[in-house]
Amino acid sequence: RKEVEQDPGPFNVPEGATVAFNCTYSNSASQSFFWYRQDCRKEPKLLMSVYSSGNEDGRFTAQLNRASQYISLLIRDSKLSDSATYLCAVNIRGAGNMLTFGGGTRLMVKP
Amino acid sequence: EAGVVQSPRYKIIEKKQPVAFWCNPISGHNTLYWYRQNLGQGPELLIRYENEEAVDDSQLPKDRFSAERLKGVDSTLKIQPAELGDSAVYLCASSLMAGSSPLHFGNGTRLTVT
Repeated sequence: RKEVEQDPGPFNVPEGATVAFNCTYSNSASQSFFWYRQDCRKEPKLLMSVYSSGNEDGRFTAQLNRASQYISLLIRDSKLSDSATYLCAVNIRGAGNMLTFGGGTRLMVKP
Repeated sequence: EAGVVQSPRYKIIEKKQPVAFWCNPISGHNTLYWYRQNLGQGPELLIRYENEEAVDDSQLPKDRFSAERLKGVDSTLKIQPAELGDSAVYLCASSLMAGSSPLHFGNGTRLTVT
């Protein structure tokens, strides 16, 4: 089993839709969590950190469920420009503070 | 602030040839990472530096890959000899500190081995 897993998708949604992705992690000692966005043939860029109490940035909401060991990203009112791959990243304590990425979830927002 | 700078942007070489990638991290970032990303997959860590020290290189194929970070700033990643399976995007990233700080990536070097 991979340490960090994501549904690769693609998720095809119409503009204005709400879409949610999950990312599961296997190591319960994980302590830091992030969502990155990666456009085609570009580098990953930090979208948002994920805090224990959940956090929101505009149309984006991130949540952490430690009991079930997953993080989620909710995008409301999807825009065409949201089309990208969304990577989750988990810092696994005890593994030298190594940041491990999931395989990414591809989102395609259509008119 | 200036971001992470990588060069070259693209590199095409024949198998068995050597290749080197260069990275200049964000000023003040002590932690530097080299990741490899294959098509359709997430980045996989090759090596992490804390200043000049390589503190995590367990995923680096040491028979053909080497890296250095002289003076704790710029870093180079070398492959010698390259194999067809090394074709990928090599991403450099830096952060203020390992663990809780987010990573900032360079735009990567796309390597094609023919």
